[in-house]
Amino acid sequence: DTGVSQDPRHKITKRGQNVTFRCDPISEHNRLYWYRQTLGQGPEFLTYFQNEAQLEKSRLLSDRFSAERPKGSFSTLEIQRTEQGDSAMYLCASTPPSGQPNYGYTFGSGTRLTVV
Amino acid sequence: GQQVMQIPQYQHVQEGEDFTTYCNSSTTLSNIQWYKQRPGGHPVFLIQLVKSGEVKKQKRLTFQFGEAKKNSSLHITATQTTDVGTYFCAGPWRAGGTSYGKLTFGQGTILTVHP
Repeated sequence: DTGVSQDPRHKITKRGQNVTFRCDPISEHNRLYWYRQTLGQGPEFLTYFQNEAQLEKSRLLSDRFSAERPKGSFSTLEIQRTEQGDSAMYLCASTPPSGQPNYGYTFGSGTRLTVV
Repeated sequence: GQQVMQIPQYQHVQEGEDFTTYCNSSTTLSNIQWYKQRPGGHPVFLIQLVKSGEVKKQKRLTFQFGEAKKNSSLHITATQTTDVGTYFCAGPWRAGGTSYGKLTFGQGTILTVHP
């Protein structure tokens, strides 16, 4: 296992289309996080999972956003009816279970979404 | 939830000069983490501080956690071009929150180093 993988790396879509991103965390990590980052800003929390349970979702997230982690392994983030304001880098990160040595978030390389 | 503020937003230095970025939280933190993001890259974990007044060093980088656990700093001695990037601090969303949960990130300090 070489780290957190995200796919695709880049996505260009037309406004109004739906997009789905995938994240594969480090296999031993049970917590998975989705963040969004725009230029010049720090990562902004979207949602996170412990195993397959979605524990929290940002109030900033509209109903157009949904995330799943059906088997507690990989996760998907879907954005429906994309808007230009959705253009950003979508970052996935994972951490080990509580009690194990924690070396912070391990981020994936991100998916850069451009809505035209 | 708490807010995390970082200053300065930008810092331009000549290679060999020192650099410091400061992080302030609106609430007391149980721990604070620092990350580095190279241009075009993703954030990479640098270190976590837990104890009040804690100081940790990684080669030319010195990290400090304030006595009140509401502020932190990162100091780089004798910057090199490889130090270029954005440095973020991050703390647990809730007071007493652990480092395994949701983090609030500062807006980052962008460091450029002129050779």
